[in-house]
Amino acid sequence: AQKVTQAQTEISVVEKEDVTLDCVYETRDTTYYLFWYKQPPSGELVFLIRRNSFDEQNEISGRYSWNFQKSTSSFNFTITASQVVDSAVYFCALSALNNNDMRFGAGTRLTVKP
Amino acid sequence: ETGVTQTPRHLVMGMTNKKSLKCEQHLGHNAMYWYKQSAKKPLELMFVYNFKEQTENNSVPSRFSPECPNSSHLFLHLHTLQPEDSALYLCASSHELAGGEFFGPGTRLTVL
Repeated sequence: AQKVTQAQTEISVVEKEDVTLDCVYETRDTTYYLFWYKQPPSGELVFLIRRNSFDEQNEISGRYSWNFQKSTSSFNFTITASQVVDSAVYFCALSALNNNDMRFGAGTRLTVKP
Repeated sequence: ETGVTQTPRHLVMGMTNKKSLKCEQHLGHNAMYWYKQSAKKPLELMFVYNFKEQTENNSVPSRFSPECPNSSHLFLHLHTLQPEDSALYLCASSHELAGGEFFGPGTRLTVL
């Protein structure tokens, strides 16, 4: 069975702090996709990244970076120098290559205070 | 218009009503999805359509009936819903069957 665990329900930081959101997954598939989405107060889910299971290179996009560790089944997301606009609920998700079983974590609510 | 649009944005209905949610994508994607987001529960994938064919139905009750007349439009027909069906219903589309990458703003449904 596929499962995504985001153990941090809520995180609160002060602006300019770095923050890491944890994501641990379980799957029996040897190939799969991992995702991160941002859901701001407006409600719309914003796609941030999709990573193939056979590509373990870490990725950096501006203040965002992702650390994919297949050995520990983790796909953590770090925001550097956080800003108030980063306040949102962040979801990690996992899908098989044929997308027959797309699973989301429960989400982590991040609050960045000025 | 660009992106994924959903109408209506808010819907209040009684348990005996029949209503439909509409999703439209102008991204040239071939796959479309319905998700349900309830309070205190993870996002749940409901239905997947690839090239207008339904490829996934995650044990969704028959009171939810999807329809995909073409690769740009997706409907969710609702009838005799229950109060526990109140949730945010999100539509998404993607270019290949690898997860809904582009989400609509959602329809906030309240069943009285």
